[in-house]
Amino acid sequence: EPEVTQTPSHQVTQMGQEVILRCVPISNHLYFYWYRQILGQKVEFLVSFYNNEISEKSEIFDDQFSVERPDGSNFTLKIRSTKLEDSAMYFCASSERRNEQFFGPGTRLTVL
Amino acid sequence: AQKITQTQPGMFVQEKEAVTLDCTYDTSDQSYGLFWYKQPSSGEMIFLIYQGSYDEQNATEGRYSLNFQKARKSANLVISASQLGDSAMYFCAMLKTGNQFYFGTGTSLTVIP
Repeated sequence: EPEVTQTPSHQVTQMGQEVILRCVPISNHLYFYWYRQILGQKVEFLVSFYNNEISEKSEIFDDQFSVERPDGSNFTLKIRSTKLEDSAMYFCASSERRNEQFFGPGTRLTVL
Repeated sequence: AQKITQTQPGMFVQEKEAVTLDCTYDTSDQSYGLFWYKQPSSGEMIFLIYQGSYDEQNATEGRYSLNFQKARKSANLVISASQLGDSAMYFCAMLKTGNQFYFGTGTSLTVIP
């Protein structure tokens, strides 16, 4: 069964560094999403992407963040100049239609 | 403003019994979608069920059903015949026009043998 994959599973970085989190959505899916979940807290929506552009973003998704779909299969989240409070689990999700959503296993980002 | 409210931080249910997890939402949109997800201790997010605002029938997926009461703005998840593997966090979420999701704070369900 096709699934969303994410790499790396765990990323450790120094405060102020840039990180790129990678996702490979399910191949025929059209909608892509990034979420984050700080340990023990609720899932927070970051951004949605459709038709090669951002369709919606939350107030969390400021100039520090950017997304790209560089080659038709990967979907990346870049976090510039990471802060301690960026430490969280980052989930990618994709869907073919708006009435479903399939999550990847997540990347745990630790900022030291 | 809180868009999705889950008032039960923790719930317990006896194995084989049914349990209802509450979710209320706040929106003035006419078109929206409501989702439930399961997050086991391993951390992955598993999509369970979806209800569209225009759907007249309550959604069902196996042992999961969604008790959708539009006038009350509630979308409660009913799990029938609970199993030990149902122990997890459950999140209610809403998709609003424009493709933005809002999640609730979750309910931790523990199934007791």
